[in-house]
Amino acid sequence: AQSVTQLDSHVSVSEGTPVLLRCNYSSSYSPSLFWYVQHPNKGLQLLLKYTSAATLVKGINGFEAEFKKSETSFHLTKPSAHMSDAAEYFCVVSDHDGYALNFGKGTSLLVTP
Amino acid sequence: EPEVTQTPSHQVTQMGQEVILRCVPISNHLYFYWYRQILGQKVEFLVSFYNNEISEKSEIFDDQFSVERPDGSNFTLKIRSTKLEDSAMYFCASSLTAGDRTYGYTFGSGTRLTVV
Repeated sequence: AQSVTQLDSHVSVSEGTPVLLRCNYSSSYSPSLFWYVQHPNKGLQLLLKYTSAATLVKGINGFEAEFKKSETSFHLTKPSAHMSDAAEYFCVVSDHDGYALNFGKGTSLLVTP
Repeated sequence: EPEVTQTPSHQVTQMGQEVILRCVPISNHLYFYWYRQILGQKVEFLVSFYNNEISEKSEIFDDQFSVERPDGSNFTLKIRSTKLEDSAMYFCASSLTAGDRTYGYTFGSGTRLTVV
């Protein structure tokens, strides 16, 4: 079965500094991996996805993630944090050709002025 | 941009009562899902639905839960006899294809269910 581990429950950065949200996955198959963001009182929004094409995936709002098979990682990065990036971020793995998404516990990103 | 709409945004119900959570998926999507998030815990898969039948369900989705697509636009989750532990945020999602690796899933903003 596929699973993901988000290594930090809370991350705090200053506005304008880089963001790194860490995610490791466990998968028996070639996984599909996603990052979703949830702003307060909003739905889950897809940031980016990896589906066995390019290992460096670019998403919305300047975020990107790199799939590293040797490290079983899919860390989310952004060069410069903005106040509007403050939210809950979820790393997600998809079952092989299945329906269910397996969510990590989430990382709460705080951006300070 | 197309959205998945969920109503109500917040529902309070008494233990033992039936509750129906409603969702309007994106109109051309064919696969529909319910997930839930108990406060402080992971988002968990409940059920997927395709072609008017359940395609996959988790252990959580026991006999007290049911799903239905009563017409061409709505997708509902019914909990027959609510328990305190059913209190959670319930998310509806839809996708164009199964597993949808190309476009991802589109989630609604959730219904917060509080059982008292």
